[in-house]
Amino acid sequence: DAGITQSPRHKVTETGTPVTLRCHQTENHRYMYWYRQDPGHGLRLIHYSYGVKDTDKGEVSDGYSVSRSKTEDFLLTLESATSSQTSVYFCAISETGQGIGYTFGSGTRLTVV
Amino acid sequence: DQQVKQNSPSLSVQEGRISILNCDYTNSMFDYFLWYKKYPAEGPTFLISISSIKDKNEDGRFTVFLNKSAKHLSLHIVPSQPGDSAVYFCAGHGSSNTGKLIFGQGTTLQVKP
Repeated sequence: DAGITQSPRHKVTETGTPVTLRCHQTENHRYMYWYRQDPGHGLRLIHYSYGVKDTDKGEVSDGYSVSRSKTEDFLLTLESATSSQTSVYFCAISETGQGIGYTFGSGTRLTVV
Repeated sequence: DQQVKQNSPSLSVQEGRISILNCDYTNSMFDYFLWYKKYPAEGPTFLISISSIKDKNEDGRFTVFLNKSAKHLSLHIVPSQPGDSAVYFCAGHGSSNTGKLIFGQGTTLQVKP
């Protein structure tokens, strides 16, 4: 989607290795979110950020950490990947934080083998 | 605790007919609700929203109805078109200003020509 880019788009990694996913935006939006999508669960919030260096946990944050050192970048790190973290990860941005009209990235498909 | 539930994993309708997607919620503190549409290999895109003080919102072929007493909302698509075939997520938004959305599991809609 215009203004938001996720990288990589696909990744296969081994159990126990660290993995970092990147979300980059050019919209200068204050709020950024990481969700994971799994069959039967929909989209679940992992972590979110409400400003540079300001982050908080979502509903499924165990095993994940995030960092936001610049407005445009929000990084999601799996410290030691497990098979349960195989999923599609979506980043979203919001200008106002009011929840109306998130803009989502195209997703990162992560497979942990 | 699933605060937003979409109990129908899939729905199939004929082109030109009405599609009705349903969503139930348990959190009375949601101040508005949103529907997102997702095509394969893409991120979700915002479709329509409704404030908790309204009971109906319409945008072209899409209408969302909210029944607060039943904690139920529905999305009506009339007439349905093959291009509407996608996964539809409903989401609830709390009254905080961090924009966190709680999503349902999604319903896959197939519109047959």
